[in-house]
Amino acid sequence: DAGVTQSPTHLIKTRGQQVTLRCSPKSGHDTVSWYQQALGQGPQFIFQYYEEEERQRGNFPDRFSGHQFPNYSSELNVNALLLGDSALYLCASSPWDGEQFFGPGTRLTVL
Amino acid sequence: GQQLNQSPQSMFIQEGEDVSMNCTSSSIFNTWLWYKQDPGEGPVLLIALYKAGELTSNGRLTAQFGITRKDSFLNISASIPSDVGIYFCAGRRGASGGSYIPTFGRGTSLIVHP
Repeated sequence: DAGVTQSPTHLIKTRGQQVTLRCSPKSGHDTVSWYQQALGQGPQFIFQYYEEEERQRGNFPDRFSGHQFPNYSSELNVNALLLGDSALYLCASSPWDGEQFFGPGTRLTVL
Repeated sequence: GQQLNQSPQSMFIQEGEDVSMNCTSSSIFNTWLWYKQDPGEGPVLLIALYKAGELTSNGRLTAQFGITRKDSFLNISASIPSDVGIYFCAGRRGASGGSYIPTFGRGTSLIVHP
């Protein structure tokens, strides 16, 4: 049984570009949450998707958007990248009312 | 964004020693979670606590849900080199997941010297 998978593992972009990160949830999980983890910090909640809709959103600008597909997989899109967007982006999946399981993350570097 | 107060920030210990770390908040939580993160990996859930005063063990790890519901503690007994990593606490207002999103601490970095 595969756990949460994320792609790509690493990504380098330049300021102003756009990026798409992908997440496949653990089998049996229907809820996906995205977090941003800056160096030396704990994960910061970006948003949560359930039944293909954004259910909760943290304190992140509209440049951050997402999508959930019918197979429960999800994408995180970031537009107009800033240097400060450099971070580890974590995807976590769960049953709607269960505990979250994290993927290995995507390391995004913005130059 | 809001984060919990987690201490100590880092710990350097000898193999075999016991470890204690804690997490405090100005808000009440109904669930406390403890995660471990290895380099290049995502956090892994170690222990979940759902009731004030609850004491739960997972092998050499023991965690407690503070009676005030504003704090939690994690102890590691007889540390070994593979305990190295960053330990995060997380508090959640809901007793279950759903629309309740956990708030994470800044982490305690643990280094174990053989």
